[in-house]
Amino acid sequence: SQTIHQWPATLVQPVGSPLSLECTVEGTSNPNLYWYRQAAGRGLQLLFYSVGIGQISSEVPQNLSASRPQDRQFILSSKKLLLSDSGFYLCAWSVVWGHNQPQHFGDGTRLSIL
Amino acid sequence: DQQVKQNSPSLSVQEGRISILNCDYTNSMFDYFLWYKKYPAEGPTFLISISSIKDKNEDGRFTVFLNKSAKHLSLHIVPSQPGDSAVYFCAARSSNDYKLSFGAGTTVTVRA
Repeated sequence: SQTIHQWPATLVQPVGSPLSLECTVEGTSNPNLYWYRQAAGRGLQLLFYSVGIGQISSEVPQNLSASRPQDRQFILSSKKLLLSDSGFYLCAWSVVWGHNQPQHFGDGTRLSIL
Repeated sequence: DQQVKQNSPSLSVQEGRISILNCDYTNSMFDYFLWYKKYPAEGPTFLISISSIKDKNEDGRFTVFLNKSAKHLSLHIVPSQPGDSAVYFCAARSSNDYKLSFGAGTTVTVRA
């Protein structure tokens, strides 16, 4: 069966520090991968998605970037964190998006910027 | 631009009774709809989905109803159990798009 792992679960970082959040998927090949952010009291906002190695699409302009160095690895990064980057970050995967298949989420990373 | 709306932020229901969660959408291109359940400090878990060719889909205690003309869907949980206490997100997308649009969520509390 397929599993998705995200780490760390929680992270406290000072303003201006770099960020690297990692997500890996097991049990499937060539998944679509996604990074979401959930702000308090709001739904999930899509930040990035990837349909293959090295292929990244950004949904909203921001201080963050994403990379996909391997088929089942997705990384969310920042060179300098802002206070507004605080939130709950979720990685998700899916099979081919053109068909009626759900996205499956990891357990998320709670990021607090001080 | 919020294309999926869950107008009830919270719902309290007694154990054994029915929980009804509502969701409205504005994009007529949406043809695939999902419900996710989320516990605190965990990621959302896929619960049930429905495509626009159907108006009802049932899976155990969970049933999703779709009213395309009203651009409205609902999730029924019968009977409600304490373990159903969680945040429920409605999501939707067009079949020729990758992007899921999420509602803000409804927090369900099942009282013993």
